[in-house]
Amino acid sequence: DAKTTQPNSMESNEEEPVHLPCNHSTISGTDYIHWYRQLPSQGPEYVIHGLTSNVNNRMASLAIAEDRKSSTLILHRATLRDAAVYYCILRYGGSQGNLIFGKGTKLSVKP
Amino acid sequence: NAGVTQTPKFQVLKTGQSMTLQCAQDMNHNSMYWYRQDPGMGLRLIYYSASEGTTDKGEVPNGYNVSRLNKREFSLRLESAAPSQTSVYFCASRPPRQGSGSNQPQHFGDGTRLSIL
Repeated sequence: DAKTTQPNSMESNEEEPVHLPCNHSTISGTDYIHWYRQLPSQGPEYVIHGLTSNVNNRMASLAIAEDRKSSTLILHRATLRDAAVYYCILRYGGSQGNLIFGKGTKLSVKP
Repeated sequence: NAGVTQTPKFQVLKTGQSMTLQCAQDMNHNSMYWYRQDPGMGLRLIYYSASEGTTDKGEVPNGYNVSRLNKREFSLRLESAAPSQTSVYFCASRPPRQGSGSNQPQHFGDGTRLSIL
């Protein structure tokens, strides 16, 4: 399975933009790039996904490099509620469709 | 919207005891999953069910059994609990694929925190 590399932790100030990087140099042409986040004491929550083009939704933006070997999740204005572990996930596990999680990036937001 | 509901939220067991973790979803999803999450780690798949009546093993199935009772409910059973099964257990569901890509997001419950002494 293609692997992802994320920083262990990042810090941000409230109301500032946050750029969360993810490297996936072994991505295949059909792999979607998914982002989930996990707030403290909660289950993971879907954030956004994309294949080749940049994507926007109400929660975040996803910027995908032209060669697709890296991507960046962008939170436009961080709030305290955005403090969570963010997971970049490349593919679902075979025919089962399960998510293959790494350790993610723990985002801290300072007031 | 209830989404994915897990019960109980917390449980303490003694080694050797058995229990069943319950999961129900009200989104009419076909696929359901059980994951476990150990401290500081990502989630790992225990069992999976593509539809009512079918189940498959995931990455860490040993010591667990599952039942897909109907489309809504997917339960996880520990027959003889061991301290190594102390973890947080998450249930998830996913709607059917659209087209050729497996890109439908999964919806998770808030987990069952299980301690085995």
